[in-house]
Amino acid sequence: SQKIEQNSEALNIQEGKTATLTCNYTNYSPAYLQWYRQDPGRGPVFLLLIRENEKEKRKERLKVTFDTTLKQSLFHITASQPADSATYLCAPGGDSGTYKYIFGTGTRLKVLA
Amino acid sequence: SAVISQKPSRDICQRGTSLTIQCQVDSQVTMMFWYRQQPGQSLTLIATANQGSEATYESGFVIDKFPISRPNLTFSTLTVSNMSPEDSSIYLCSVEVGGLNTEAFFGQGTRLTVV
Repeated sequence: SQKIEQNSEALNIQEGKTATLTCNYTNYSPAYLQWYRQDPGRGPVFLLLIRENEKEKRKERLKVTFDTTLKQSLFHITASQPADSATYLCAPGGDSGTYKYIFGTGTRLKVLA
Repeated sequence: SAVISQKPSRDICQRGTSLTIQCQVDSQVTMMFWYRQQPGQSLTLIATANQGSEATYESGFVIDKFPISRPNLTFSTLTVSNMSPEDSSIYLCSVEVGGLNTEAFFGQGTRLTVV
């Protein structure tokens, strides 16, 4: 069955460092992959979308890579700040031409001041 | 972008009763999506609602338990019927305003507790 795996353990890093979050998928061939941020008690908020023909995408301090051979996406936050503390969800989608995407379990990031 | 208003934001309900959750979008959208997020878990798609047709349910979810209405292009409701404690969860509606396979916008969610 399709499986989306993210680090279940919380990730603690010092302010100013780069946070790297991993998303691995199996039995799945997504045409694109999205990353969302979710704060407690709130719905997810879209951050970035990367398509299968793109290796890397950037937006301000965020960078996403997409390796369809490794079946993996990496999400980087550079110069991290305490305000970046949240749960980050990956959501690959577009497998077999479908419109749906599957959410990973999320990684909780805590940036320490 | 889209602004989604979801009501109620939370509720505590007795088992055996039903709760209807409303989702209002500030723009017209073809498809609306309903998700469930159980404590400590990720989002699971319940169903996709198109205006003017029956909702399409994902495996493990049935219309009798989660009836959905989609009377127009800006509004949808999800009912959680005959509730049990296992239905305690956060329910979220979502839309993609740029067409399929684009970013999704979510409501703030409805936190349901069944006692």
